[in-house]
Amino acid sequence: AQRVTQPEKLLSVFKGAPVELKCNYSYSGSPELFWYVQYSRQRLQLLLRHISRESIKGFTADLNKGETSFHLKKPFAQEEDSAMYYCALSGAGANNLFFGTGTRLTVIP
Amino acid sequence: EAQVTQNPRYLITVTGKKLTVTCSQNMNHEYMSWYRQDPGLGLRQIYYSMNVEVTDKGDVPEGYKVSRKEKRNFPLILESPSPNQTSLYFCASSTRQGADGYTFGSGTRLTVV
Repeated sequence: AQRVTQPEKLLSVFKGAPVELKCNYSYSGSPELFWYVQYSRQRLQLLLRHISRESIKGFTADLNKGETSFHLKKPFAQEEDSAMYYCALSGAGANNLFFGTGTRLTVIP
Repeated sequence: EAQVTQNPRYLITVTGKKLTVTCSQNMNHEYMSWYRQDPGLGLRQIYYSMNVEVTDKGDVPEGYKVSRKEKRNFPLILESPSPNQTSLYFCASSTRQGADGYTFGSGTRLTVV
């Protein structure tokens, strides 16, 4: 069965500091991993997907199959990065997008 | 503008009074899904639909019904709401089973008293 774990419910960093939001997954096949972001009072938005290997708003995430991780990183946090971040997994051929419990990031000015 | 539209945004109702939350998408997506978001639990899938007249249960389907008579619409029905269904609900759609990422609606905050 698939499972997505985000070990940190809350994460606070100072502006300009590096930030890493952790995500570990469990899946027997080849997963497709995503990061979604939810700013205050807004809908969830797709931030990153591992298949595109892109950088969005300075964020990157690398799929590490050996460690079954998909951590989200940004070298210099900005105040506007404060939001709820969800890691999600979709299995090839599966009928579901599984979400972790989310990490609330607060960037302190 | 490509979007997923949910209505209403806010709803307060009483226990046992049937209600429907509508969801509509204008992107011709085959796949639609309903989630509920609760503090500390993240998003949990209620029901999903792979196409017209094809629906299936997610992780937490009890107390909910859905229908998919048209491709664009995927209403969520609570036949007899209870206080434990107080939550924030999101509808989402995708071109495939989530592989291209979902487009989410703005959410419906439901309170059952």
